[in-house]
Amino acid sequence: QSALTQPPSASGSPGQSVTISCTGTSDDVGGFEHVSWYQQHPGKAPKLIIYDVNKRPFGVPDRFSGSKSGNTASLTVSGLQADDEADYYCNSYAGSNNIVIFGGGTTLTV
Amino acid sequence: QVQLQESGPGLVKPSQTLSLTCTVSGGFISSGDYYWSWIRQPAGKGPEWIGRIYTDGSTDYNPSFKTRVTISVDTSKNQFSLMLTSVTAADTAVYYCTRGSLRADYWGRGTRVTVSS
Repeated sequence: QSALTQPPSASGSPGQSVTISCTGTSDDVGGFEHVSWYQQHPGKAPKLIIYDVNKRPFGVPDRFSGSKSGNTASLTVSGLQADDEADYYCNSYAGSNNIVIFGGGTTLTV
Repeated sequence: QVQLQESGPGLVKPSQTLSLTCTVSGGFISSGDYYWSWIRQPAGKGPEWIGRIYTDGSTDYNPSFKTRVTISVDTSKNQFSLMLTSVTAADTAVYYCTRGSLRADYWGRGTRVTVSS
C-alpha cells in the first residue's frame, strides 16, 4: 500500500486561508469516510485536528476544516496564525489490507 | 486525561529485537471501544503505522512489518507492547504509542530508537 500523496510545502500570510491536499485511491481515501489530519510542531508528537474527513476534536478551533472529493481529501486552515506553522499529515483507512496509511506530510509556512 | 508513556532501550543492535512498552494512565486499556497503536517516524519523514491491538486482543499489522512485528497487551498493568525482530538501520526512528489508529487522539511523547552496532 503506497503512502498518500501530499504537497511537500504550502504557505500563506497571517489572516489568509490555505488548503492542503491528500490524494489516495479508491482503496483508501476515496472508499471510506475515515480520513484524519494531524498537526506536528518540531520535536513534538502529532496532534489530531480532523477525523472522519470533517470532524474536529474538542478544543480544535473551527479555523481548521476538512473535506473530501473522490480520492482527494483536503485540509483548510483559515485565518492563518503564526502558530499554525507546522507539519501536517493526513491518514486514511485502507480497507483491502485493513490497515492505516499516512501521507508524506506538508510543511506549512506562515 | 489519558496519558501514554513509551519506555524501552534507546539503542538496539542490528539483527536483534526491539522491544517497547506503552504505559497508559488516566484510563483503562480494557475499557472503551479503542484501538491502541504503534506508529513510528524516521527523522525528517512522515509517520508510519506499524500496527494496532484492540481491547479484545485482536491485532492488525502493516504488511510491511507483518513477519517481524508483534503487539501485545497486559491489561493487569494497563500496558501494551511492541516487539520488532531482526532490526536494521532502517528501523531507526521515533516510536510513538497512541490511543486509536485512524483517530489517534492521544499520543505518547515518543521514544527515539537507534539501531546501530
